[in-house]
Amino acid sequence: AQSVAQPEDQVNVAEGNPLTVKCTYSVSGNPYLFWYVQYPNRGLQFLLKYITGDNLVKGSYGFEAEFNKSQTSFHLKKPSALVSDSALYFCAVRDPSSSNDYKLSFGAGTTVTVRA
Amino acid sequence: GAGVSQTPSNKVTEKGKYVELRCDPISGHTALYWYRQSLGQGPEFLIYFQGTGAADDSGLPNDRFFAVRPEGSVSTLKIQRTERGDSAMYLCASSYRSGANVLTFGAGSRLTVL
Repeated sequence: AQSVAQPEDQVNVAEGNPLTVKCTYSVSGNPYLFWYVQYPNRGLQFLLKYITGDNLVKGSYGFEAEFNKSQTSFHLKKPSALVSDSALYFCAVRDPSSSNDYKLSFGAGTTVTVRA
Repeated sequence: GAGVSQTPSNKVTEKGKYVELRCDPISGHTALYWYRQSLGQGPEFLIYFQGTGAADDSGLPNDRFFAVRPEGSVSTLKIQRTERGDSAMYLCASSYRSGANVLTFGAGSRLTVL
């Protein structure tokens, strides 16, 4: 079975400071990993994905994430946070080697608050 | 259309009533998914369509829930005899086939059962 853990319910940072949102995963094979962001009363917006290749993935709005196979982690990072980055962030995983490789499993989410 | 469209955006109903939630996916996307998101939780898988058929409905919580996609495009999630515990945000997503392709989500339908 595949799963994702986001160990922090909330992350608070000052504007201009680095932002990190943690994610660890569990799959039987090599994972496909995704980050989505959700603003209030909105659907999920795709930020970035890791499929294969370079462990450092760059995505939308200046976000990046690093795939670490030995630590089974895929932490989301932004070098300099903006107030507008305040939102709910979800990590998600797919197992391409499984019979239900279409199924995306989400973490519980991390609320990011960036203070001015 | 340019994105995934879901209607209604908000639905308030009484316990025991029947509800339909509609999803209009991105044109050309053959894969369609329904997820349910309860307050403070991540989205949970309900059902997956590849074309017209439900390839996996293992996430539907019970037989009060049913979904169709008769022409391989628009999908309707149907909930019979609604219960207060059905209150949640229902999210629809679509993609090209599956695998590594990114799911594009709609804005969701927020269901409140009184």
